[in-house]
Amino acid sequence: NAGVMQNPRHLVRRRGQEARLRCSPMKGHSHVYWYRQLPEEGLKFMVYLQKENIIDESGMPKERFSAEFPKEGPSILRIQQVVRGDSAAYFCASSIPGTGGPRTQYFGPGTRLLVL
Amino acid sequence: RKEVEQDPGPFNVPEGATVAFNCTYSNSASQSFFWYRQDCRKEPKLLMSVYSSGNEDGRFTAQLNRASQYISLLIRDSKLSDSATYLCVAYNSNYQLIWGAGTKLIIKP
Repeated sequence: NAGVMQNPRHLVRRRGQEARLRCSPMKGHSHVYWYRQLPEEGLKFMVYLQKENIIDESGMPKERFSAEFPKEGPSILRIQQVVRGDSAAYFCASSIPGTGGPRTQYFGPGTRLLVL
Repeated sequence: RKEVEQDPGPFNVPEGATVAFNCTYSNSASQSFFWYRQDCRKEPKLLMSVYSSGNEDGRFTAQLNRASQYISLLIRDSKLSDSATYLCVAYNSNYQLIWGAGTKLIIKP
């Protein structure tokens, strides 16, 4: 019974390169959320996706960041032309579908991005 | 002002003691609240939900005060394994979780 899976666990990029972070939700979960956590800070919501649909990307920076959750395969968070300020832990969470009330979000182990 | 605020600590507490920390929230429309635990360099894990009437789970007790807009977490008979960062979370809609920056707890032998 695999939980939320993220890879890679650690990613090192030089300034200007692209970073691709992958998230496979728990079995039966069709909702995915991406969060960013800077050192000594709480998690910041970035984007909420369902299969083939972005529900809310209000937390995503307007430039260089994009996310997708295709019909097949994992959700991808893509950061183009990375800068040092992008260094952070990126967590993915998934939940079951449903309406009304909070749905428990289960977190993956995170991807730690380091931009040199 | 941050939407969810916590004292960052660290709280240094001897093993076996009781420790409590609060979290304040600014959005009176917040519907539900949770405490998550995060170990160093790990993902957050749900510790407990917070109900209006207060709720207990073993050594952990959570309280919600809507009038003053704060929630609290009490840990009795603290263990070394309780050392972690405790994150307060407010749930504002069907999916938006608003996270505090966390309170670091260190239990000393």
